[in-house]
Amino acid sequence: GAVVSQHPSRVICKSGTSVKIECRSLDFQATTMFWYRQFPKQSLMLMATSNEGSKATYEQGVEKDKFLINHASLTLSTLTVTSAHPEDSSFYICSARVTRETGELFFGEGSRLTVL
Amino acid sequence: AQSVSQHNHHVILSEAASLELGCNYSYGGTVNLFWYVQYPGQHLQLLLKYFSGDPLVKGIKGFEAEFIKSKFSFNLRKPSVQWSDTAEYFCAVNAGGYNKLIFGAGTRLAVHP
Repeated sequence: GAVVSQHPSRVICKSGTSVKIECRSLDFQATTMFWYRQFPKQSLMLMATSNEGSKATYEQGVEKDKFLINHASLTLSTLTVTSAHPEDSSFYICSARVTRETGELFFGEGSRLTVL
Repeated sequence: AQSVSQHNHHVILSEAASLELGCNYSYGGTVNLFWYVQYPGQHLQLLLKYFSGDPLVKGIKGFEAEFIKSKFSFNLRKPSVQWSDTAEYFCAVNAGGYNKLIFGAGTRLAVHP
């Protein structure tokens, strides 16, 4: 299957700082990538849809000024958590879709953010 | 709005027992259905998927799922589980023309030797 890579896998930062997480599709071009957040023992919550060359589409309740998403190329999307606070600590997962028709997603390894 | 319900949040089985995890969705049109698995410490992986055709879908590691349109269900089954099947299982739905996958809450399966 298609390979999606996320970096970093773990990051610890101080409250008030910003953190950038990268998501790359390694062997295919992804016009659309999705960012999910997974709380402990809970399901994946879709945060936003990242479209190459255009603005991201955020889900209701997700602060677009806090979670900045950039999809500058067909193989790279970035999520920047700005002015992070302890409540932003979570597991962030990116995914990419190979074909629109099927909607099948391939997932990155996830990035665990801990804000002190 | 679309939603996905997984009835069992936590399932505990002994090895060789049979498994069935329930999944129901709410959407009346064409759907694509998925089961993903997340083994401890690993990322989500696709277990199986249904797009069209035979409603009984076979996936990896002996898993299968049956799409029953009249019941809006896509239950996951395995006749004999192994300890290595211990993981969290997520059902997901992509409704026709809808741009994203919606996930169920997940079912945590623990298989004891």
